[in-house]
Amino acid sequence: EAQVTQNPRYLITVTGKKLTVTCSQNMNHEYMSWYRQDPGLGLRQIYYSMNVEVTDKGDVPEGYKVSRKEKRNFPLILESPSPNQTSLYFCASRYRYGNSPLHFGNGTRLTVT
Amino acid sequence: KNEVEQSPQNLTAQEGEFITINCSYSVGISALHWLQQHPGGGIVSLFMLSSGKKKHGRLIATINIQEKHSSLHITASHPRDSAVYICAVDGYGGSQGNLIFGKGTKLSVKP
Repeated sequence: EAQVTQNPRYLITVTGKKLTVTCSQNMNHEYMSWYRQDPGLGLRQIYYSMNVEVTDKGDVPEGYKVSRKEKRNFPLILESPSPNQTSLYFCASRYRYGNSPLHFGNGTRLTVT
Repeated sequence: KNEVEQSPQNLTAQEGEFITINCSYSVGISALHWLQQHPGGGIVSLFMLSSGKKKHGRLIATINIQEKHSSLHITASHPRDSAVYICAVDGYGGSQGNLIFGKGTKLSVKP
């Protein structure tokens, strides 16, 4: 089954404790991206990648890192999480060119205390 | 000023009504996406448009590139259409892949 898999679904952590949210897709998509969703602010893009070893900042990249070492995986790294990073996070993928719809993961609800 | 504006923010309709949700944007784009998010959070892509009109079942999406405007129509609405509908624009040229989202339209369809 074609899918984007995010893990974990729920995560509670403390300020400053490094964490990684994983994202994996099995559709051979070139493009992958991370978003956060906050009440009143909607969805905002954190980072995106048009292909392996290529990453670009979205609108809210501060406090986050990503890497794209292989096509199927695009982990989101919070080196020193802070309470303002408490949010609902989504990963998505699509083909790079053409009329290609976005495929979203199920989301990760992160709480930083 | 937001680069992507959706209207209305909230919409309540009776089952069977024809519904229109609007999206206006101010930047150059390579494509526009309409997304649906049900309570519980999952996001599903409904349409990706770069020109003209697309139809899928009771849903129709149109885009006017010159006017920088897109509409999502739902014909014969049903309570299961209750969800948040989100418009997103994909950047152009060197900004392709950089998505900017509207704040969403919360639709409630009453039986």
